[in-house]
Formats: sequence, C-alpha cells, structure tokens
Amino acid sequence: EAGVTQFPSHSVIEKGQTVTLRCDPISGHDNLYWYRRVMGKEIKFLLHFVKESKQDESGMPNNRFLAERTGGTYSTLKVQPAELEDSGVYFCASSRRSGGLNYGYTFGSGTRLTVV
Amino acid sequence: GQQLNQSPQSMFIQEGEDVSMNCTSSSIFNTWLWYKQDPGEGPVLLIALYKAGELTSNGRLTAQFGITRKDSFLNISASIPSDVGIYFCAALNYGGSQGNLIFGKGTKLSVKP
Repeated sequence: EAGVTQFPSHSVIEKGQTVTLRCDPISGHDNLYWYRRVMGKEIKFLLHFVKESKQDESGMPNNRFLAERTGGTYSTLKVQPAELEDSGVYFCASSRRSGGLNYGYTFGSGTRLTVV
Repeated sequence: GQQLNQSPQSMFIQEGEDVSMNCTSSSIFNTWLWYKQDPGEGPVLLIALYKAGELTSNGRLTAQFGITRKDSFLNISASIPSDVGIYFCAALNYGGSQGNLIFGKGTKLSVKP
C-alpha cells in the first residue's frame, strides 16, 4: 500500500507569509496526526483527526495554525502569518485506530519549513 | 507536562560495537515505542512494548519496557553502518480519545566503518 505522502518536502518562506502543508494518509486510515520537530528538540504532537473531526488539538501552538481535513481524506495545515519560530519539520502520521495497540502509526517523510 | 528524557544525545561508535540508549520519565505510560529516523525520512517504528517488564527483540535490536512503567531501553548489537540515524523513544497513554505520542529528543547514532 502507498505510504503517508506529504508535500512540499521543503518550503522556504519569509516571515509574515502564508504556507500550506498537505498530508495524504494511507487509504482507509481514519486517524491522522500532525507532529512538529523543531531543530534539536523532541517531536511534538500538534493535533489528531478522526475522519474529518478534530479529536484533539491540544498541541496546536497558537491561532496562526489552522488544520483541516476535508471529507476525512487528505489534511492541510496552514500557518498564517508565519513566524521565525515556526521553522522545523512537520510530520504527518496516520493509523487505523487511536490509542490502544498503536503499532499502526505510519509517518510521512515530513515537510521541512524554514521561515526567514 | 509529560516529558521523556532520552540519553545519550549522540553516540559515535565503531562498526561491530554494541549500543545502548534509554528513556526515562516521571510519568507512567502504558506503551513504549522505539523509532528510527533516516535523513530526509519520517520516523519508522522499530519495536513496540505493551507490558511492564516486557523484553522484545527485532533482529539485532532488543528493547525493554521498565517494570515501573517509567522507562525503557534499546540495545543494538554488533552495529553496522546502516544503523546510522536518529533513534527516538516514544510513549503513549491509551484509553478514551488519547492517541498522541510523546517523544524523547532523540539519540543520534554515528557508526564508523
């Protein structure tokens, strides 16, 4: 089966601009997660969709970040306006089930965002 | 909030040597996971541990879920050049709607041929 696909793989934008990241989960995976790793830090949870609903968005840094998952398929994460501290690698992951035996988590290759 | 303390931060070893890394926390978890990230790729699951005291192997990799449920270690035996990468521990409290993983900061492994 195809894996989790993210694009773009890299994005360099100026402070104040808007960037939209996209994630296509594995087909049939209802659960979709966004994570972020800032350089040298741990990978941090941002939010969790179950189908098109936001199950948990406790990790979203602030209201400059907006995530959507139209029709329960692909998801977008928009940052508007971008700030320097938003730089990092944004990972998307999907799974068939949440919690419990969570070995079904599959991560995408990530989008490296650089805000200059 | 909950935090995982992963050590060491980096390791430089000779091919053939064994490697050991660990994660500790002040919180109790129900699941411990170990991931490896290659350059330009996302984390890939290596081993999942679901019971306190559980010891699981995957080829040259062995991981244990600490009996207190607050720690885990990963050992790699007879390292080879393709073991190079960043290793992350992750933990999970499941139940209800919880599904988000908590990660350590990673251990960067370099292997000298």
